[in-house]
Amino acid sequence: QQQVKQSPQSLIVQKGGISIINCAYENTAFDYFPWYQQFPGKGPALLIAIRPDVSEKKEGRFTISFNKSAKQFSLHIMDSQPGDSATYFCAASISSNYQLIWGAGTKLIIKP
Amino acid sequence: KAGVTQTPRYLIKTRGQQVTLSCSPISGHRSVSWYQQTPGQGLQFLFEYFSETQRNKGNFPGRFSGRQFSNSRSEMNVSTLELGDSALYLCASRPGTGSEKLFFGSGTQLSVL
Repeated sequence: QQQVKQSPQSLIVQKGGISIINCAYENTAFDYFPWYQQFPGKGPALLIAIRPDVSEKKEGRFTISFNKSAKQFSLHIMDSQPGDSATYFCAASISSNYQLIWGAGTKLIIKP
Repeated sequence: KAGVTQTPRYLIKTRGQQVTLSCSPISGHRSVSWYQQTPGQGLQFLFEYFSETQRNKGNFPGRFSGRQFSNSRSEMNVSTLELGDSALYLCASRPGTGSEKLFFGSGTQLSVL
């Protein structure tokens, strides 16, 4: 029940295309869902996060879509750029606990 | 503000040895957590310290231990190293209560031969 399942494991998208990464969870007590971006040789950095009281959150080219009934959330990257090539992790937590449960990661490659 | 600093950047050890990794959080951050990252396994939570007290612990054997000092700096120790301990060890800090955003260091790459 504590798992967060992330797919796909890897993704290749053409420059200018839309990248979509999906995550699913079981624990309905989760109330915080962040996405982290990690470049080679660096630690992850928070990209965008959402709480279950909204179904969508957008920051620039990055959008989180959240489906509470399906217990799924996804990251959409519009107009994908080569600089977006990185590994993306979804995660979930219960706010009172602060302990994040992480997805396995998606390696995204944007082809020029 | 300086970011999260982890030292050393790389370490090579042999089986059976022990190792200590260091993490200096962002100034003012009172919470430090440690993660193990291996290819295909994502990030596995080790433990979190807040004001020198361990607040959460992941599912790792007792060979993995940590501590936090009064200045919020943290160390992680792994005793009796095994080949499977080879990984990138990441430290993350956050202000403490009321903030869920983690700030990660670049990690220590540990290789056990």
